[in-house]
Amino acid sequence: EVQLVESGGGLVQPGTSLRLSCAGSGFRLEGYGKFDDFGMQWVRQAPGKGLEWVSGISWNSGDIGYADSVKGRFTISRDNAENSVYLQMNSLRAEDTALYYCTKGRGSSWKNDAFDVWGQGTRVTVSS
Amino acid sequence: EILLTQSPGTLSLSPGERATLSCRASQSVRHSYVAWYQQRPGQTPRLLIYGASTRASGIPDRFSGSGSGTDFTLTISRLEPQDFAVYYCQQYVSSSGITFGPGTRVDIK
Repeated sequence: EVQLVESGGGLVQPGTSLRLSCAGSGFRLEGYGKFDDFGMQWVRQAPGKGLEWVSGISWNSGDIGYADSVKGRFTISRDNAENSVYLQMNSLRAEDTALYYCTKGRGSSWKNDAFDVWGQGTRVTVSS
Repeated sequence: EILLTQSPGTLSLSPGERATLSCRASQSVRHSYVAWYQQRPGQTPRLLIYGASTRASGIPDRFSGSGSGTDFTLTISRLEPQDFAVYYCQQYVSSSGITFGPGTRVDIK
C-alpha cells in the first residue's frame, strides 16, 4: 500500500519560515510504479474549513505551480532518490494556519490530474 | 479562476436512501476535469470519482458521478453508515487554478 507521511509542522510566529517534508513508501509494490512516476501536490485545510490547493510539482521537477495565495513565499521541491517532496514556507502569515496534506497525482504531471493518495497531514499554526 | 459552488450545504438522510449532491462551476470545466472526495470526521480526504464519472480504485459502485460543462453530480445510490461525511468537488484544470468546492455535509437524519 502506498503511503505518504508528512512532518515538519509546528507553532511559529508570523514572518518566520518552516519546511514541511513528505516521505512516500510502498511504491514499486504490485506494479504500482516508482515514486518518480508521479506528480505530487500540497493541499491545506484551515481549522473547520474546506480544502485549498497550495502547490504541485511534476515527476522530474520540470513543471511547478502555486496558488496565488502562496506564490513568492512558498517553494515546492522533491528528491526522488529519497522518495520525498518538500514545501519551504517563508514569510508565514496567520492565514497560513492549516493542516497541510501531501498528495499524489495519478500521473506524472501536477497538472490536470486528481489526487489519489493523501497523507495524514502536518499541522502548521502561525501565531504570535 | 474557476469557482465551485456545492448544494445543498447539508443533506440529512437515512441509511438506505439515495443522496444527490450538486457541484456547479462558474465557467465550463474543460475535459470534465472534475473529481469528488469524501472526508469522514477526523480523517483524510479520499478520492471517489475523477474525470467527472470514473470511480477511483476500490470505490464501491453505489457511488457514481455525472455531468459536463458547468454542472456535475455525485450520487450515492443507497447510503451506508460509513457514507455520512463531507463531500468536496474539485476542478483540476490547472490553467484555471485548481479549486475545491466548499463541501456538502451528509448527515444522518
